[in-house]
Amino acid sequence: GAVVSQHPSRVICKSGTSVKIECRSLDFQATTMFWYRQFPKQSLMLMATSNEGSKATYEQGVEKDKFLINHASLTLSTLTVTSAHPEDSSFYICSARDPTGEGTEAFFGQGTRLTVV
Amino acid sequence: GNSVTQMEGPVTLSEEAFLTINCTYTATGYPSLFWYVQYPGEGLQLLLKATKADDKGSNKGFEATYRKETTSFHLEKGSVQVSDSAVYFCALSDDKIIFGKGTRLHILP
Repeated sequence: GAVVSQHPSRVICKSGTSVKIECRSLDFQATTMFWYRQFPKQSLMLMATSNEGSKATYEQGVEKDKFLINHASLTLSTLTVTSAHPEDSSFYICSARDPTGEGTEAFFGQGTRLTVV
Repeated sequence: GNSVTQMEGPVTLSEEAFLTINCTYTATGYPSLFWYVQYPGEGLQLLLKATKADDKGSNKGFEATYRKETTSFHLEKGSVQVSDSAVYFCALSDDKIIFGKGTRLHILP
């Protein structure tokens, strides 16, 4: 299947700083990427849909000024957690659909474990 | 809106036992349905999928059938292994992918 690479896999930052997470589709062009946050009890929450060349679509309750999403090219989307606080500590996962593929499934990155201290 | 409901875990079974993880969905259209698996510290991997009613997805001994009449997509495996221990997510896809809350599976040797 298609490959999605997410970087970094782990990051520790100080409270008040910003952290950028990258999501790349390695062998296909993704016009749409998705960003999820996974809480400790397993549930996967869709944060936003990232569209190449246009503004991201945020889910209800997600602060767009807090979680900045940029999808500048067909193979790269970035999520920046601004002015991070300990409650932002979580596992963030990106995914992308291959528009040329047979199905409608998404392929997932390896995830980024963010710890804010 | 669309939603996915799957059975709460954790589920603990002995090796070679039969596995069922229930999943039901609510959707306005005709979504595709998926099961994803997540191993500790990793992202999600697609386990199997079905794109229309009565389709059966299968992979690695796991199966699930798209049942439109019962709006279900239950995951089954006839004989589980210790290596199947993971978290399993049921999901549906239309313009975006919606996940169930996940079911943690423990297989005891």
